[in-house]
Amino acid sequence: GQNIDQPTEMTATEGAIVQINCTYQTSGFNGLFWYQQHAGEAPTFLSYNVLDGLEEKGRFSSFLSRSKGYSYLLLKELQMKDSASYLCAVMDSNYQLIWGAGTKLIIKP
Amino acid sequence: SQTIHQWPATLVQPVGSPLSLECTVEGTSNPNLYWYRQAAGRGLQLLFYSVGIGQISSEVPQNLSASRPQDRQFILSSKKLLLSDSGFYLCAWSVLGPENEKLFFGSGTQLSVL
Repeated sequence: GQNIDQPTEMTATEGAIVQINCTYQTSGFNGLFWYQQHAGEAPTFLSYNVLDGLEEKGRFSSFLSRSKGYSYLLLKELQMKDSASYLCAVMDSNYQLIWGAGTKLIIKP
Repeated sequence: SQTIHQWPATLVQPVGSPLSLECTVEGTSNPNLYWYRQAAGRGLQLLFYSVGIGQISSEVPQNLSASRPQDRQFILSSKKLLLSDSGFYLCAWSVLGPENEKLFFGSGTQLSVL
């Protein structure tokens, strides 16, 4: 079966750095996405990785290792507004998106 | 610019009642459209997707149906709601580009079936 694993919840301090991990087992791989979802709102696109390595976008970076079936989202200089759920999704060989259950990130002052 | 509208935002319906959720997209032609359901503690579940008018693919057998009567309109329906239909429903459209086929979501409908 296809599976995406990410921690259910994480807590971090304002101004700090946090890394949210995602591991996947899918039938094929056509890219990995990270979305941010504030409570009660729609997910919004954060990043896309299809090749191994680190993609940096401002305070957010996303890393991919295809051989390990592993990705992480790195958030720097955390702000209170970063409190949200972070969803990992993998596109399989049939171009279907497989979603993780999301990681709820709690930021404390 | 492209926008997606989804309504209503919240809905409370009794078991056995019908359902109609509507989604419209503006600013793009022939988009791929999707209906997802999000249950607490679970990943997004794809319910239906459409690549064109009248073309609907169902991913999960259920008592829900979808229709696309116009290019930029996508409707999710049910004749008789079940308790298990409660959840957060999201409409989305996608565009194929440098960042693969990323999704743009509507604001969602929180459906409670009582």
